[in-house]
Amino acid sequence: TQLLEQSPQFLSIQEGENLTVYCNSSSVFSSLQWYRQEPGEGPVLLVTVVTGGEVKKLKRLTFQFGDARKDSSLHITAAQPGDTGLYLCAGASRYSSASKIIFGSGTRLSIRP
Amino acid sequence: KAGVTQTPRYLIKTRGQQVTLSCSPISGHRSVSWYQQTPGQGLQFLFEYFSETQRNKGNFPGRFSGRQFSNSRSEMNVSTLELGDSALYLCASRRTGGAGRHGELFFGEGSRLTVL
Repeated sequence: TQLLEQSPQFLSIQEGENLTVYCNSSSVFSSLQWYRQEPGEGPVLLVTVVTGGEVKKLKRLTFQFGDARKDSSLHITAAQPGDTGLYLCAGASRYSSASKIIFGSGTRLSIRP
Repeated sequence: KAGVTQTPRYLIKTRGQQVTLSCSPISGHRSVSWYQQTPGQGLQFLFEYFSETQRNKGNFPGRFSGRQFSNSRSEMNVSTLELGDSALYLCASRRTGGAGRHGELFFGEGSRLTVL
C-alpha cells in the first residue's frame, strides 16, 4: 500500500518566520502535487513536480522533488497570515486514475500576525 | 474559465434521510471524482466517473452512489444517512489524455453535510 506521510501535522509560527513541510513515501511517484486548502473551501493546486531533484518557486514558496521521486518539501520564506491553511501533498503515477492518487494527511499551518 | 461548481454548499439532514450533491466540472474536463474529507480520516476517495461510466470506487458502503451525465456533470447520493456521514464532500475534475498525465485535480469548494 502506498502511503504519503506529511510532517509536521500542525505548525503555528509567527509572521515573518520561515518553515518547511515534508512529504515522504517509500514509493516512487511519477509526479507530486501540492495543494492548499483554506477553511470551508476546496483544495487549490499550487504546483506539480515531475522530475527528480526539480525545484519550483511560487513567490515565497519553494517546492522540491526528491532525487528518487519518493519525497518532496515545501519551504515558505517570511510566512504571512495569508499562508494559513491546510497543505496537502499528493502523489500520482503517470496516467493513473483518480483512485490511485495518494494524498498525504496534511499539514495544518497557522501564521500568527 | 469557470472552476468546478458544487451545490449545495451547506446542508443539514437527519439520520435516515438521503441527500444528493451536484458537481459541474471545468468545461472540457470529462473526468469527475468525489472525495469525503473528515478531520480524522483526511481525504478519502469515493468514486470516479468518466464518460458517464464509473471507473473506480473507493471503500465505501453501497449507500454511497453516483452518476455522471452526458454533459459531464455529476451527482452523488447518500442514502440512509448516518451521523458518521457528516463531512465535507469534494468534487474534482481533471484533464484526461496527455494533458492529464500528471494527475492534477481541480477541486470545487465542497458541500458541507451535517447529519443530526
